[in-house]
Amino acid sequence: EAQVTQNPRYLITVTGKKLTVTCSQNMNHEYMSWYRQDPGLGLRQIYYSMNVEVTDKGDVPEGYKVSRKEKRNFPLILESPSPNQTSLYFCASSYGTSRQTQYFGPGTRLLVL
Amino acid sequence: DAKTTQPNSMESNEEEPVHLPCNHSTISGTDYIHWYRQLPSQGPEYVIHGLTSNVNNRMASLAIAEDRKSSTLILHRATLRDAAVYYCICLGPRRHSGGGADGLTFGKGTHLIIQP
Repeated sequence: EAQVTQNPRYLITVTGKKLTVTCSQNMNHEYMSWYRQDPGLGLRQIYYSMNVEVTDKGDVPEGYKVSRKEKRNFPLILESPSPNQTSLYFCASSYGTSRQTQYFGPGTRLLVL
Repeated sequence: DAKTTQPNSMESNEEEPVHLPCNHSTISGTDYIHWYRQLPSQGPEYVIHGLTSNVNNRMASLAIAEDRKSSTLILHRATLRDAAVYYCICLGPRRHSGGGADGLTFGKGTHLIIQP
């Protein structure tokens, strides 16, 4: 089944404790991206990647890092999480660009205390 | 990408057709009209997209006005599983060749309520 998977689905952590949210797709997509969704603010893009070893900042990259060492994986790293990063995070992928059909993961709900 | 306007919410009965409107009066000739939906506690899901002609797929139909300033997503027989927030977005060619923000911009969408 074609899908985007994220792990973990739920995470509670404390300020400053490094964490990684994994994202993997099995559709051989070149484009992958991370979004956060907050009430009243909609979806905002954090980082995106056009292909392996190519990443770019989205609208809200501060406090986040990403890497794209393999085509299928695009982990999101929070080196020193803060409470304002409490949010619902979605990974998405598509064949070519953001303008093509995006396939979203199920989401990761993060609470930073 | 052109701004879109949708009603905040709509209600329909199960097994009846639903017509979800979207206005995009500033759409440009190269912008595609995309619809996504987000079911409760799930990630957004692609529904359908089109440029000028009406489009059909297994999920829905998309009716595009002749002047392209509005469109309507049609669910032919709504079920309880269609209760979701529906987003209409207009996407032109990717603007940035050298980096810069590149994400989809979802507005508030239309919250579709289906009554049994």
